[in-house]
Amino acid sequence: EAQVTQNPRYLITVTGKKLTVTCSQNMNHEYMSWYRQDPGLGLRQIYYSMNVEVTDKGDVPEGYKVSRKEKRNFPLILESPSPNQTSLYFCASSFLGSYEQYFGPGTRLTVT
Amino acid sequence: DAKTTQPPSMDCAEGRAANLPCNHSTISGNEYVYWYRQIHSQGPQYIIHGLKNNETNEMASLIITEDRKSSTLILPHATLRDTAVYYCIVSPGGTSYGKLTFGQGTILTVHP
Repeated sequence: EAQVTQNPRYLITVTGKKLTVTCSQNMNHEYMSWYRQDPGLGLRQIYYSMNVEVTDKGDVPEGYKVSRKEKRNFPLILESPSPNQTSLYFCASSFLGSYEQYFGPGTRLTVT
Repeated sequence: DAKTTQPPSMDCAEGRAANLPCNHSTISGNEYVYWYRQIHSQGPQYIIHGLKNNETNEMASLIITEDRKSSTLILPHATLRDTAVYYCIVSPGGTSYGKLTFGQGTILTVHP
């Protein structure tokens, strides 16, 4: 089944403890992206990647890192999480140039 | 990217057509209009996109005004499962452009 998977789906952590949220797709998509969603602010793009080893900032990249070493994986790294990074995170992928992005199920992160 | 304006919420009776407007008065000639929806807290789902001609697929129709400054997404026979947040996005070239900006969206409530 074609899909985007994220792990973990739920995570509660403490301020400053490094964490990684994984994202994987099995559709051979070139484009992958991370978004965060907060009440009243909608979906905001954090980082995106148009191919392996190619990443770029979205609208809200501060406090996040990403890497794209393999085509199928696009992990989101929070080196030192803070409470303002408490949010619902979505990973998405698509063929480059496509208008149809496929979204993962989301990861709900709470930083205390 | 051109900015979009959508009403924060709309209601529709089940079985009737739902017409969701989007204003994008600063749209550029190379920018497409596309729509996604998000049901509850699931990942957004692509609906449709267009440049200047009206478009129809199995989910919806997209009507773009001649001056391209606004558009309307039409769900011809709304069902309760169409209750969702609907996002109108304007961007040149889909994911080839890289950065994508989702706005606040319109909360559509379909009632019996």
